[in-house]
Amino acid sequence: SQKIEQNSEALNIQEGKTATLTCNYTNYSPAYLQWYRQDPGRGPVFLLLIRENEKEKRKERLKVTFDTTLKQSLFHITASQPADSATYLCALEDGANNLFFGTGTRLTVIP
Amino acid sequence: GAVVSQHPSWVICKSGTSVKIECRSLDFQATTMFWYRQFPKQSLMLMATSNEGSKATYEQGVEKDKFLINHASLTLSTLTVTSAHPEDSSFYICSAVDTGGVAGELFFGEGSRLTVL
Repeated sequence: SQKIEQNSEALNIQEGKTATLTCNYTNYSPAYLQWYRQDPGRGPVFLLLIRENEKEKRKERLKVTFDTTLKQSLFHITASQPADSATYLCALEDGANNLFFGTGTRLTVIP
Repeated sequence: GAVVSQHPSWVICKSGTSVKIECRSLDFQATTMFWYRQFPKQSLMLMATSNEGSKATYEQGVEKDKFLINHASLTLSTLTVTSAHPEDSSFYICSAVDTGGVAGELFFGEGSRLTVL
């Protein structure tokens, strides 16, 4: 069966450190992989998109890698700040704009 | 970036009544919108794909007669939960594709929290 797993339900890190979140998938062949941020009671906000033929994408303090052999994406936030505390969702896009979401990782950055 | 607006942001209704949720793309046209449902501490689950001018495509297990979707214009899709029951209480979120934007990028509304008493 198809599955999207994010490494842990919750992750706590110290301010200034790099947060690394993992997204593993099985039985998908995504055209894109996306990462979203979701704050409590709000809709997801798009952060980064990486295509299947791209290995790495960066945007300010964010970096995403995509390994289609391992079927894994890593999402890094460098120099983390308390304002980065949120739930981060990975999502796979099947080439028809259908997105399938992982369960999310709740990140808490401790001052 | 593009803005998607949902209304209402929260609604409480009695069991057996119907509730309509609107999803609007404010500054772009969206031929395709998506409706998701999210239960507490769970991820978003795609319910249906709404296509302007045609019938919605429902995911397996989603009752099309219970969750009526209408996409009558390029900027508005509506989700009507008919004869709502307490188990329909959830966070409903829509998203839209900006066909003029980056391929694959979706814009989400703020969500609508439905509580059925």
